[in-house]
Amino acid sequence: KNEVEQSPQNLTAQEGEFITINCSYSVGISALHWLQQHPGGGIVSLFMLSSGKKKHGRLIATINIQEKHSSLHITASHPRDSAVYICAVIYSGAGSYQLTFGKGTKLSVIP
Amino acid sequence: DGGITQSPKYLFRKEGQNVTLSCEQNLNHDAMYWYRQDPGQGLRLIYYSQIVNDFQKGDIAEGYSVSREKKESFPLTVTSAQKNPTAFYLCASSTFNGYTFGSGTRLTVV
Repeated sequence: KNEVEQSPQNLTAQEGEFITINCSYSVGISALHWLQQHPGGGIVSLFMLSSGKKKHGRLIATINIQEKHSSLHITASHPRDSAVYICAVIYSGAGSYQLTFGKGTKLSVIP
Repeated sequence: DGGITQSPKYLFRKEGQNVTLSCEQNLNHDAMYWYRQDPGQGLRLIYYSQIVNDFQKGDIAEGYSVSREKKESFPLTVTSAQKNPTAFYLCASSTFNGYTFGSGTRLTVV
């Protein structure tokens, strides 16, 4: 079964720190998503990427297709960044746009 | 604003009762999905629909049913056959451009 692995599972940071969350997957993909889930449960899509790098505000997402690896970086972290960050991929040849999800990384940013 | 509306946010039901979770979108997306989330696990696909009047089983469809009579609506029924229905349920829709998720329904069966 195709897997999506995220690390770390839990991450605690001091406000202002630079944060990196990693995601690796097992076979070829057509796209990778980074998602944010707040304590209330709703999910927001942060990035969708298939190559290279994307930046939005203090968030940066990169992907290395050859190494089957993606990273999500948060610069100048803030307590409001505290959430679960989820990596999800669409495997090449998957029906529709079906996502396979990682288990998430729980980030806590302390003031 | 376009988006997905899931209702209710919290739902309590007695064991043995069927319950229907609502999902409505005004994004004009063709594809819609239902996912289940349990503590410590990734989201798992229950059912998906790529077009009106058509839907497909996902990885954990047993004990669930869906309908897609309108493009905007994709309700999920949790039947009494679902052995462990207490969970967080998320609805989503998509185009080639990306996904939009609802805010979820937390179902507790007592």
